[in-house]
Amino acid sequence: EVQLVESGGGLVQPGGSLRLSCEASGFTFSSYWMTWVRQAPGKGLEWVGNIKQYGSEIYYVDSVRGRFTISRDNAKNSLFLQMNSLRAEDTAVYYCATYYVSGDYSDAFDMWGQGTMVTVSS
Amino acid sequence: IQLTQSPSSLSASVGDRVTITCRASQGISSSLAWYQQKPGKAPKLLIYAASTLQSGVPSRFSGSGSGTDFTLTISSLQPEDFATYYCQQLKSYPLTFGGGTKVEIK
Repeated sequence: EVQLVESGGGLVQPGGSLRLSCEASGFTFSSYWMTWVRQAPGKGLEWVGNIKQYGSEIYYVDSVRGRFTISRDNAKNSLFLQMNSLRAEDTAVYYCATYYVSGDYSDAFDMWGQGTMVTVSS
Repeated sequence: IQLTQSPSSLSASVGDRVTITCRASQGISSSLAWYQQKPGKAPKLLIYAASTLQSGVPSRFSGSGSGTDFTLTISSLQPEDFATYYCQQLKSYPLTFGGGTKVEIK
């Protein structure tokens, strides 16, 4: 059974840091691009960033570039999101997902974790 | 690339045919996916490449379109289909989602 389990969320003060983890099982983790998506309370989905299978390519949305860092450890089937200089507007549920990259038009985020809540507040 | 979904919400009855549209601010070929999200749950992939049904998704869901205009159709709405639906473009970075369409019970 495919599983993605996020952890590490919680309450943090503005300007603080948090590291999210996503542990994968049930599939060959190193074969997939991975992605982080967030959802502020009552709002829509926002893509945060992607990382290629061995980390050679990483992309971010402008609003987090320079503050957030995506990394992975294929030996531990784990994906990470290091979040620094956190702001109130970073408050959201953070989801990890597999990013199927096909080379044609068939790309999609096909497997999702259950999400972890990050609250930035004093 | 901005994605504009319409309507932002709709009320429908079980058995109704429902159509949701997604318009891209520039052409994205067929690099579009649709997701369903129920309250408190993660999104679920329904359709990719604009019209290809993800494995396990009921055939009452269908997608169409290319370029800038896309539609998601539910041919006969079932109780379990009441949810919020999002389109997503995967043509170029930053990857973006539409604002969502909430399908509610009439």
